[in-house]
Amino acid sequence: KAGVTQTPRYLIKTRGQQVTLSCSPISGHRSVSWYQQTPGQGLQFLFEYFSETQRNKGNFPGRFSGRQFSNSRSEMNVSTLELGDSALYLCASNKGGSEKLFFGSGTQLSVL
Amino acid sequence: TQLLEQSPQFLSIQEGENLTVYCNSSSVFSSLQWYRQEPGEGPVLLVTVVTGGEVKKLKRLTFQFGDARKDSSLHITAAQPGDTGLYLCAGDKAAGNKLTFGGGTRVLVKP
Repeated sequence: KAGVTQTPRYLIKTRGQQVTLSCSPISGHRSVSWYQQTPGQGLQFLFEYFSETQRNKGNFPGRFSGRQFSNSRSEMNVSTLELGDSALYLCASNKGGSEKLFFGSGTQLSVL
Repeated sequence: TQLLEQSPQFLSIQEGENLTVYCNSSSVFSSLQWYRQEPGEGPVLLVTVVTGGEVKKLKRLTFQFGDARKDSSLHITAAQPGDTGLYLCAGDKAAGNKLTFGGGTRVLVKP
């Protein structure tokens, strides 16, 4: 059974650009959550999607957005990139309840 | 400000020694989870504790949830180099999959 797949693995962008990250959950999982991990702030919740609807949202500015497709795959978008957006972006999936969360290996975003 | 405070931030020990990592909060959580993360990978769930006072064992790892469900500890007995990694605690307030993570404890077990 394939795990959570995130693409791309690494990304380098410059300030002001926008970026789209992709996450394919484990087959059968309907919930996809996104987290940002930085050395200074640790892991912080961005948002969660369940059945194509945003179910939870963290405290990030509107430049961070996401969506989920009917096959449960999810994308997150960051517009007008800032240096501080450099981070490891992790997505996690489960069936939608309080069961175990499975994380992907992340996308390492560097903003220059 | 972290709602979940982990201590210590870094721990370096010799193989065979014991170690304890703490996770403290002023908030009550419906459950608390412990993860281990290795470089270049996402966190992997080790255990979930739900009931106040609960103790769970996973081979040489012992996890405890405080009676008031505000704090937890992870104890590793006879640590091995394979235990090296970033240990993260995460609290769940029964709000879907919105977890609050602690800052992490980086553990290095030297052979």
